[in-house]
Amino acid sequence: DAGITQSPRHKVTETGTPVTLRCHQTENHRYMYWYRQDPGHGLRLIHYSYGVKDTDKGEVSDGYSVSRSKTEDFLLTLESATSSQTSVYFCAISDRGPLNQPQHFGDGTRLSIL
Amino acid sequence: SQQGEEDPQALSIQEGENATMNCSYKTSINNLQWYRQNSGRGLVHLILIRSNEREKHSGRLRVTLDTSKKSSSLLITASRAADTASYFCATDNRGKLIFGQGTELSVKP
Repeated sequence: DAGITQSPRHKVTETGTPVTLRCHQTENHRYMYWYRQDPGHGLRLIHYSYGVKDTDKGEVSDGYSVSRSKTEDFLLTLESATSSQTSVYFCAISDRGPLNQPQHFGDGTRLSIL
Repeated sequence: SQQGEEDPQALSIQEGENATMNCSYKTSINNLQWYRQNSGRGLVHLILIRSNEREKHSGRLRVTLDTSKKSSSLLITASRAADTASYFCATDNRGKLIFGQGTELSVKP
């Protein structure tokens, strides 16, 4: 298995609070991604990074921000969590870009916002 | 926006039978990928097939791609209970990977 660790694995919080999810990799891969998985929607890309301090928006980026200060860490922040952000969040990595390259996934963070 | 859509949504078979899942997509692609997800785990990459390839094999997995019909199929031969999982196709769209909603496969012993 690719060395990807997501933390925390589970979190319950209240509406309006800030939340930060962490993705840590030991593969030295350039690309890192954050997805959310919801019933009826499959996986949807939130943000991705193509290098340290280089990030871009995905399909569902509203309400989320990301930061990547080191190759190995990619943080996803919900500035003011809402109930619609209750989901399972997955981090993924790839050695090169999303085209023609498989992505390797962490085991997810289950986030509940009450 | 949904690029890939899997069919059927759910499939239940007996151990030893073959399982076929289909994926349709809307726009031209550079490649199509298949992933497996076991309950409570992340996705695991199975096969990547490029747009100029028609068929690819990996162990008991066979993937076909028909770009004229914008469709792909994943065949799992001689299925095992351990194959029980959700299977997703993913296609590239404007430089990003877009996943379908998946097929839930249940293989009964």
